[in-house]
Amino acid sequence: QTVVTQEPSFSVSPGGTVTLTCGLSSGSVSTSYHPSWYQQIPGQAPRTLIYNTNTRSSGVPDRFSGSILGNKAALTITGAQADDECSYYCVLYMGSGIVVFGGGTKLTVL
Amino acid sequence: QLQLQESGPGLVKSSETLSLTCPVSGGSISSSSHYWGWIRQPPGKGLEWIGSIYYSGTTYYNPSLKSRVTISVDTSKNQFSLNLSSVTAADTAVYYCARHGGVDWNYGLFDYWGQGTLVTVSS
Repeated sequence: QTVVTQEPSFSVSPGGTVTLTCGLSSGSVSTSYHPSWYQQIPGQAPRTLIYNTNTRSSGVPDRFSGSILGNKAALTITGAQADDECSYYCVLYMGSGIVVFGGGTKLTVL
Repeated sequence: QLQLQESGPGLVKSSETLSLTCPVSGGSISSSSHYWGWIRQPPGKGLEWIGSIYYSGTTYYNPSLKSRVTISVDTSKNQFSLNLSSVTAADTAVYYCARHGGVDWNYGLFDYWGQGTLVTVSS
């Protein structure tokens, strides 16, 4: 079964830039997987940040951006803020109606 | 504003069937542009897609859960439902219902979510 991989944890300094990645246990992520990214604050439902690789969801600030870097999907946060400290999940579309969530990255801002 | 709200028992006995319903308000479940899905999150762990349904009844399931999952839709009540059979402690999780896109490029766009409901499986 396909596993979608993310860094379990990452840290960034306030005001800094961080890039989180989303890969496959076997193969490369391309735009054909239409990657999306979600932000989840503990105790809350996830919030959509990015869909279809690089389209920001309504109301999402432009310091969040999505791309393909090498063989992975990437979420870049520029000018990190304290309230960016939470978990981030990617989702890949595998085709035939199947989506897979990555394991999530817990981001610390310190 | 579209709203989804999971409802169902918060406690289910091991080996029994977990049943949840997701009424949709502020919009029609018969939208030709969207699917309706279930996602779960065990305490302290990540998100897992369970499956999705189109208003016509077309379903897609997570292969790892497919043998135990049934998702159905009731357009007259504007709601969809989840049944997960033969549950064990590993099925203890917060269960979310959500709307997502209906074509390849937005299929992974879960844009409206319920608040989630914790279901505990007891022995």
